[in-house]
Amino acid sequence: GENVEQHPSTLSVQEGDSAVIKCTYSDSASNYFPWYKQELGKRPQLIIDIRSNVGEKKDQRIAVTLNKTAKHFSLHITETQPEDSAVYFCAAMEGGGNKLTFGTGTQLKVEL
Amino acid sequence: NAGVTQTPKFRILKIGQSMTLQCTQDMNHNYMYWYRQDPGMGLKLIYYSVGAGITDKGEVPNGYNVSRSTTEDFPLRLELAAPSQTSVYFCASSLSYEQYFGPGTRLTVT
Repeated sequence: GENVEQHPSTLSVQEGDSAVIKCTYSDSASNYFPWYKQELGKRPQLIIDIRSNVGEKKDQRIAVTLNKTAKHFSLHITETQPEDSAVYFCAAMEGGGNKLTFGTGTQLKVEL
Repeated sequence: NAGVTQTPKFRILKIGQSMTLQCTQDMNHNYMYWYRQDPGMGLKLIYYSVGAGITDKGEVPNGYNVSRSTTEDFPLRLELAAPSQTSVYFCASSLSYEQYFGPGTRLTVT
């Protein structure tokens, strides 16, 4: 089955700096890669996603890049704000199915 | 639309007890999922369903059962609860790719 690894497990940045979180996946047939933000005690919320036929996608301050050859994808957050502090999860969907495999999460802390 | 709803929000079970976690969605999604999230960890898939009457095991199905008699409901049954089942349980649904999560049920087994 699919295996998703996520790094780093914790990330601390100063307000206004950029943050990058990286994930690798094992199944070359995986075709959908979402990123979720989870605040303490809340449900995961989708913040951005990318499909395997696209290399990059942006939405205001967040962007995701995908390298299919290397089987890795990354989340980029620019101009970080205190409200960006949360746990971020990457995930990969197996090809031909609808099951997501999640990474173990990155605790992002944006310091004033 | 209420989206995905789950009941109860919290529950404490004694070892060996049984319970059903309820999940309902009003978006007419075919796909529904149950995940568990242990402290400081990602989500692990317990069971999923691609439509009414069809269910399949995920990564961690042992100790759980599901049924899907309608499009809207996807209950998760715990039989003979064990401390290892202490976790937060999330239900999700999707039409194709994007999964929408419910608010979760925090379960403690003591």
